[in-house]
Amino acid sequence: GQQLNQSPQSMFIQEGEDVSMNCTSSSIFNTWLWYKQDPGEGPVLLIALYKAGELTSNGRLTAQFGITRKDSFLNISASIPSDVGIYFCAGQPNTGANSKLTFGKGITLSVRP
Amino acid sequence: DAGVTQSPTHLIKTRGQHVTLRCSPISGHKSVSWYQQVLGQGPQFIFQYYEKEERGRGNFPDRFSARQFPNYSSELNVNALLLGDSALYLCASSRHGTGLTYEQYFGPGTRLTVT
Repeated sequence: GQQLNQSPQSMFIQEGEDVSMNCTSSSIFNTWLWYKQDPGEGPVLLIALYKAGELTSNGRLTAQFGITRKDSFLNISASIPSDVGIYFCAGQPNTGANSKLTFGKGITLSVRP
Repeated sequence: DAGVTQSPTHLIKTRGQHVTLRCSPISGHKSVSWYQQVLGQGPQFIFQYYEKEERGRGNFPDRFSARQFPNYSSELNVNALLLGDSALYLCASSRHGTGLTYEQYFGPGTRLTVT
């Protein structure tokens, strides 16, 4: 099935550093969401974006909805050890009854203390 | 408030058997969606249900079916299990599912292993 493009597959940063991730698609989405998943658990919603160009923050997290509606960015500032996990972007159409999410493959973030 | 709950947590089945997975949405949420997540991949959409009706179906064979009950809980059924059905099955709930954009919140998942 279709997936969004997330790269690189893994990122390694030092505690206290900032990190940026992006997500791209060949299709337009009207909603972008970012989730974090820890091993053996379900994805946890971090940020939801609803308008092209929108910039939204949630604590140390900031995400942006790309102007073209085909991409989104997530920034984590001043990373801490509990930021370790897999970060997924997801796009959602808003064109009728079907509101399924299309996910990227995820980026595994490691934080060195 | 309780989040999305799923049962069982883990399940081991043999090829050819069938399985039923259960999900209870967040209180007040009327839409339930099911996703399959294989190791190393993002979740893949299987079904969406809203007000007991199927509102969306992903690219999965007819061996996969689901239903939603009057209390908005849901079951996912998989028949004639294959080794490739081994995955984490996730349930997500949202307030509405018809042409509106509401965030989907996920449960912890059911880990299905087919041997």
